[in-house]
Amino acid sequence: QQQVKQSPQSLIVQKGGISIINCAYENTAFDYFPWYQQFPGKGPALLIAIRPDVSEKKEGRFTISFNKSAKQFSLHIMDSQPGDSATYFCAASKDEGNKLVFGAGTILRVKS
Amino acid sequence: DAMVIQNPRYQVTQFGKPVTLSCSQTLNHNVMYWYQQKSSQAPKLLFHYYDKDFNNEADTPDNFQSRRPNTSFCFLDIRSPGLGDAAMYLCATSTKNRDEQYFGPGTRLTVT
Repeated sequence: QQQVKQSPQSLIVQKGGISIINCAYENTAFDYFPWYQQFPGKGPALLIAIRPDVSEKKEGRFTISFNKSAKQFSLHIMDSQPGDSATYFCAASKDEGNKLVFGAGTILRVKS
Repeated sequence: DAMVIQNPRYQVTQFGKPVTLSCSQTLNHNVMYWYQQKSSQAPKLLFHYYDKDFNNEADTPDNFQSRRPNTSFCFLDIRSPGLGDAAMYLCATSTKNRDEQYFGPGTRLTVT
């Protein structure tokens, strides 16, 4: 019940294309869903996050879509750029303790 | 400008030789976390401090310990490193409402 399942493991997208990464969870107590971006040799950095009271959140080229009934959420990167090439982790947490449960990660490569 | 600082960035230690990794923060956050991240895997929470209240994950080996002498500093002690402890160790902080976690750049530990 604590797992967050992330797919795909890796993704190759052409420059200018849309990158889509999906996550699914089981624990309905989760109420905070962040996405982290990690470059090689660096710590994860928060990209965008959503709470279950909204179905979509957009920040620049990055959008989270959230489907509460399906217990799924996804990250869309519009107009993908080579500089977006990184590993992306979805995560989930609940207020009590707020321990992040991470997905396994997606390695994104944007080809120029 | 650095908010979560980890030292050293790279640490080499010998099998069985105790090692200490350090983390400091300029954010004055109440909560500090230590994660272990192995190659191509998601970060795994080892323990966290809520102020001085220490919270150990059930599956964190006894070989790993932590100290938090004040709000700004937190240390990770590995008493007898094994080859399997080679990993990136990430420190993170958050505020009392525990939403966003800010990660440091990590310390890459090599065990020879």
